[in-house]
Amino acid sequence: NAGVTQTPKFQVLKTGQSMTLQCAQDMNHNSMYWYRQDPGMGLRLIYYSASEGTTDKGEVPNGYNVSRLNKREFSLRLESAAPSQTSVYFCASSPARVKAFFGQGTRLTVV
Amino acid sequence: EDKVVQSPLSLVVHEGDTVTLNCSYEVTNFRSLLWYKQEKKAPTFLFMLTSSGIEKKSGRLSSILDKKELFSILNITATQTGDSAVYLCAVEATGNQFYFGTGTSLTVIP
Repeated sequence: NAGVTQTPKFQVLKTGQSMTLQCAQDMNHNSMYWYRQDPGMGLRLIYYSASEGTTDKGEVPNGYNVSRLNKREFSLRLESAAPSQTSVYFCASSPARVKAFFGQGTRLTVV
Repeated sequence: EDKVVQSPLSLVVHEGDTVTLNCSYEVTNFRSLLWYKQEKKAPTFLFMLTSSGIEKKSGRLSSILDKKELFSILNITATQTGDSAVYLCAVEATGNQFYFGTGTSLTVIP
């Protein structure tokens, strides 16, 4: 049982480049989330999806887009990366009213 | 504005000490409070609390929730170096949204 799988694990981008972070879960959860974690800031919600076909902005959505392709997959896209987007990104999924399960994270550096 | 506040931000103790980590919250439509332990990678789940006054225990770790005063504590007794980590508190609200605190960084010295 793989749980929540994120790819890639590491990525270095130049300012202005675009990329998509992939996330897939095999637990049949309805809700999926993208967080970023910065030192001293804790986890901050970027976007979430309560069910297939729906997405909503979280606390820090600017500079990001998401796509809930199907129930399993929730991708996060940076259209034009900026150094301020250097962070560790976590994808998570959750069935209703139960704890969230996290992926292992993607360490993104924008130079 | 919904928020979760953890204290202290960081803590250094010696092996064998007992520590108490605090989490206070102001979240509308509260459903549950969760504690996670984060070492190098993704947070791992410790406890989920939904009712006041009922202590959850797992080995040397325990946690309790006070829904009237809007806080929770996480206790770790007889600390070990393997307890060194960031401990995150999160509150789940209606609509399956999670609000995280900034975490408490615990360092246990041999």
